[in-house]
Amino acid sequence: GENVEQHPSTLSVQEGDSAVIKCTYSDSASNYFPWYKQELGKRPQLIIDIRSNVGEKKDQRIAVTLNKTAKHFSLHITETQPEDSAVYFCAASHMNTGFQKLVFGTGTRLLVSP
Amino acid sequence: EAQVTQNPRYLITVTGKKLTVTCSQNMNHEYMSWYRQDPGLGLRQIYYSMNVEVTDKGDVPEGYKVSRKEKRNFPLILESPSPNQTSLYFCASSLLPIDNEQFFGPGTRLTVL
Repeated sequence: GENVEQHPSTLSVQEGDSAVIKCTYSDSASNYFPWYKQELGKRPQLIIDIRSNVGEKKDQRIAVTLNKTAKHFSLHITETQPEDSAVYFCAASHMNTGFQKLVFGTGTRLLVSP
Repeated sequence: EAQVTQNPRYLITVTGKKLTVTCSQNMNHEYMSWYRQDPGLGLRQIYYSMNVEVTDKGDVPEGYKVSRKEKRNFPLILESPSPNQTSLYFCASSLLPIDNEQFFGPGTRLTVL
């Protein structure tokens, strides 16, 4: 089955710096790659996603890139702010007996210091 | 307000005492799923349902049961809870299976003594 690895597990940056979180996946048939943000004590919420027919997608300060050949995708946050501090999860979606199953990475705890 | 609700939010119980965590969504979503979240392991899928009376196992189904008798409800049942089921549980729903934003409930923190 699909396996998603996420690095780093923790990331500390200064406010205004950029942050990059990387994920690799194992199933070349995966075609949907969402990123979820989970603030402390809250539920995960979708922040951006990308489909396999696209190489990059941007939404204000966040962007996601996808390299299908290497089977990895990354989340880029520019001009980080303290409110970006949270746990970020990547995920990959693949077909399983006719149903697309979502497999999550283990999460990255991002801490943005003022 | 469009939302996914779970009850209870917190539960402390003892080994072997059957319990049910309820999940309800008011968005007419067809797809619903249960996840457990453990430190260092991320979110792991327990069971999912593509529609009424259609359910299937996720990655960690052992010790859990689910049912989908109505479109809006997807309860998670622990027939005989054990301490290794101590975890944070999330229910989620989406309009389409997976290739679409999943809306998560607020979570249920379960402790099994």
